[in-house]
Amino acid sequence: GAGVSQSPSNKVTEKGKDVELRCDPISGHTALYWYRQSLGQGLEFLIYFQGNSAPDKSGLPSDRFSAERTGGSVSTLTIQRTQQEDSAVYLCASSLVVNSNQPQHFGDGTRLSIL
Amino acid sequence: SQQGEEDPQALSIQEGENATMNCSYKTSINNLQWYRQNSGRGLVHLILIRSNEREKHSGRLRVTLDTSKKSSSLLITASRAADTASYFCATDAIGNQFYFGTGTSLTVIP
Repeated sequence: GAGVSQSPSNKVTEKGKDVELRCDPISGHTALYWYRQSLGQGLEFLIYFQGNSAPDKSGLPSDRFSAERTGGSVSTLTIQRTQQEDSAVYLCASSLVVNSNQPQHFGDGTRLSIL
Repeated sequence: SQQGEEDPQALSIQEGENATMNCSYKTSINNLQWYRQNSGRGLVHLILIRSNEREKHSGRLRVTLDTSKKSSSLLITASRAADTASYFCATDAIGNQFYFGTGTSLTVIP
């Protein structure tokens, strides 16, 4: 497919468990973003990657959150020791480069529920 | 915070009517984008307007930007049931982050 792909689409886990969310961006896009969207809310920026540069992690809410991007393509967002407040939809987006004149292309997200 | 704020939070109109939603922001921007989000889906880019532009059109969409008032509006003309979605504005900021507002939920009644 030509779009941004995220997996899993839904994840239910118990409090305290670790989770990994995956994002496969559009081929050729050097910029990759992660956002969190709580029910009925806007998007909260978490982190972005631009090519091989160091990522901007300034939006990560705590040290339980981490992300990596291997080979400049697929990215994984990891949440350790999940808490109930981590329940949200996690959205990934990619663009040609990190620039506000570039449209972002979004996946359909991973809906994470912490019991 | 740079975050944009959309107004109104919710809007319900009849099919065929026009829908107008507004976005306000706090600090200077280079670009402003509008996105649509259908229920359970990701966001879809609609239109980008640069800080030196005042108006832009794309099909049934018209976007205006007033940098002196730090506001933008999105007009959807001749609305259709398929336009039912949430609409978000996104503004840029130092560090190449994007700030998304909380969105306007639009319902178009057939």
